Amino acid sequence: AQSVTQPDIHITVSEGASLELRCNYSYGATPYLFWYVQSPGQGLQLLLKYFSGDTLVQGIKGFEAEFKRSQSSFNLRKPSVHWSDAAEYFCAVGYFSTASKLTFGTGTRLQVTL
Amino acid sequence: DADVTQTPRNRITKTGKRIMLECSQTKGHDRMYWYRQDPGLGLRLIYYSFDVKDINKGEISDGYSVSRQAQAKFSLSLESAIPNQTALYFCATSVGQAQETQYFGPGTRLLVL
Repeated sequence: AQSVTQPDIHITVSEGASLELRCNYSYGATPYLFWYVQSPGQGLQLLLKYFSGDTLVQGIKGFEAEFKRSQSSFNLRKPSVHWSDAAEYFCAVGYFSTASKLTFGTGTRLQVTL
Repeated sequence: DADVTQTPRNRITKTGKRIMLECSQTKGHDRMYWYRQDPGLGLRLIYYSFDVKDINKGEISDGYSVSRQAQAKFSLSLESAIPNQTALYFCATSVGQAQETQYFGPGTRLLVL
């Protein structure tokens, strides 16, 4: 069964510092990978996704992620964090064989200190 | 106006009561989903529907039922609510391919006493 691991429950960074949120998936087939962000009291918004092609994908709000098949990872990065980036971030995986069913990670809550 | 709307946004109910959560979308998508979010558990799929005549159970469907009244409407029912169904519930929609983005509603916060 497909699964997603986000090993960091909570991360705190200073404004202006770089950020990397980790995501690992399990399963043998080529995955479709997503990062969503949930701001307090809001639904989930897509930051970026990977399903084929260039393994480095750019998203909204200055985020990027790199698909590394050898490491089964899809880590999210941002070179300089803004206070407004404080939110919860979810990695999700889907596969062609499971249609559009996504499996979500447990989330990483990002706190930004000024 | 929001593309995916959920009603109510907040609801308090008592154990044993029947409750319905509603989802409407104006995106014209065929596929709709219901998830629940619990702290530390992320989002888990309850039910999903690929079109009006196609409804499927997700990983945690026990205690829930759904109705796809139209392409744009997908309702989630708790026939007899219990306290461990207290959670944040999200509806989502997508076009039709596995790699397509799912668009989420704002969520319904449900408290079962």
